Amino acid sequence: KAGVTQTPRYLIKTRGQQVTLSCSPISGHRSVSWYQQTPGQGLQFLFEYFSETQRNKGNFPGRFSGRQFSNSRSEMNVSTLELGDSALYLCASSPTSRGTGELFFGEGSRLTVL
Amino acid sequence: AQSVTQPDIHITVSEGASLELRCNYSYGATPYLFWYVQSPGQGLQLLLKYFSGDTLVQGIKGFEAEFKRSQSSFNLRKPSVHWSDAAEYFCAVGAPNDMRFGAGTRLTVKP
Repeated sequence: KAGVTQTPRYLIKTRGQQVTLSCSPISGHRSVSWYQQTPGQGLQFLFEYFSETQRNKGNFPGRFSGRQFSNSRSEMNVSTLELGDSALYLCASSPTSRGTGELFFGEGSRLTVL
Repeated sequence: AQSVTQPDIHITVSEGASLELRCNYSYGATPYLFWYVQSPGQGLQLLLKYFSGDTLVQGIKGFEAEFKRSQSSFNLRKPSVHWSDAAEYFCAVGAPNDMRFGAGTRLTVKP
């Protein structure tokens, strides 16, 4: 069974640009969660999608958005990039809602904002 | 809402020595508890989980953890550490539609 796939793995952007990250969950998993990981803040929850509906959202500004498609693939978008958005963005899928079962993580998309 | 604390930011142990990583949680009900490991440049991988039942749970790679309700703890242990265990370890506490991660403990293994 294929794992969680995130693309791109690495990307460099400049301030003010926008970026779109993609996540393909494990087949059959309906929940996709996104996390931002930085050395100073650790793992911070961005949002969770379940069957194309945003179920939960973390404490991030509106520049961070996401969506989920009917095939459970998910994208997240960050507009008007700031230097502080440099981070590893992790996607995790689960057959059930986040919190009561194992999360399966992708290898992440490392974003550098210059 | 639940919360989780990992008191140790960084731990160094010698190869072959035993290991214990601490995790304390706060949650009103019986929590779902997890330990994940992250190797450099990788995502997180589940080591073990506790939902109910036997309070001593076995995981992959020779790790085990013990749930102690009275101490609100879920410490991770390994009797003999291998150099390949060097990584970052995250404790997490789950509730319906919510999952909180600790700040992580970085493990360094000395030869």
